[in-house]
Amino acid sequence: AQSVAQPEDQVNVAEGNPLTVKCTYSVSGNPYLFWYVQYPNRGLQFLLKYITGDNLVKGSYGFEAEFNKSQTSFHLKKPSALVSDSALYFCAAGGGGSYIPTFGRGTSLIVHP
Amino acid sequence: GAVVSQHPSWVICKSGTSVKIECRSLDFQATTMFWYRQFPKQSLMLMATSNEGSKATYEQGVEKDKFLINHASLTLSTLTVTSAHPEDSSFYICSGDLGNYEQYFGPGTRLTVT
Repeated sequence: AQSVAQPEDQVNVAEGNPLTVKCTYSVSGNPYLFWYVQYPNRGLQFLLKYITGDNLVKGSYGFEAEFNKSQTSFHLKKPSALVSDSALYFCAAGGGGSYIPTFGRGTSLIVHP
Repeated sequence: GAVVSQHPSWVICKSGTSVKIECRSLDFQATTMFWYRQFPKQSLMLMATSNEGSKATYEQGVEKDKFLINHASLTLSTLTVTSAHPEDSSFYICSGDLGNYEQYFGPGTRLTVT
């Protein structure tokens, strides 16, 4: 069975500072990895994905994520956080012939002015 | 592109009644749509996978007779919560599959059963 762990329920960062939201996964075979963002009372918005290729993936709104196979991680990063980045972030992973991803529990990102 | 809408965005119903939620892909055809349920401060729980023209595939533990899913066209899937009870109150989200490993999510429907 595939699983996704987001070890932090909440991440706090000051505006302008770099941010990292952590994600580790467990899937069989090659993983398909995703990050989504959710604003209050809204659906999820796609940020970026890793299917194959370069380990560093660039996505929407200045976000990027690095696929680390040995550590089975796919941490989300941004060099300079904005207050408007405050939202709930979900990591998702699929693999082993299943393209339906499993979602992590989500990490609430709070960017302080 | 890849916009998914849901209607209604918020519904309150009385216990024992049924509620239908529509999910539409506005600018693409979605052979497959997914229905999720999200509890406060929790992750998305996949309820079922809906394929156009065929019966939905339900996840383990999801009552197919209670959560009726119909995917009659490539742009519309519906979820009907039958004989709703307060424990069915939740945020229901649908998504459409573009076939490139990306899912595009609707804005969600907040169901409150009184």
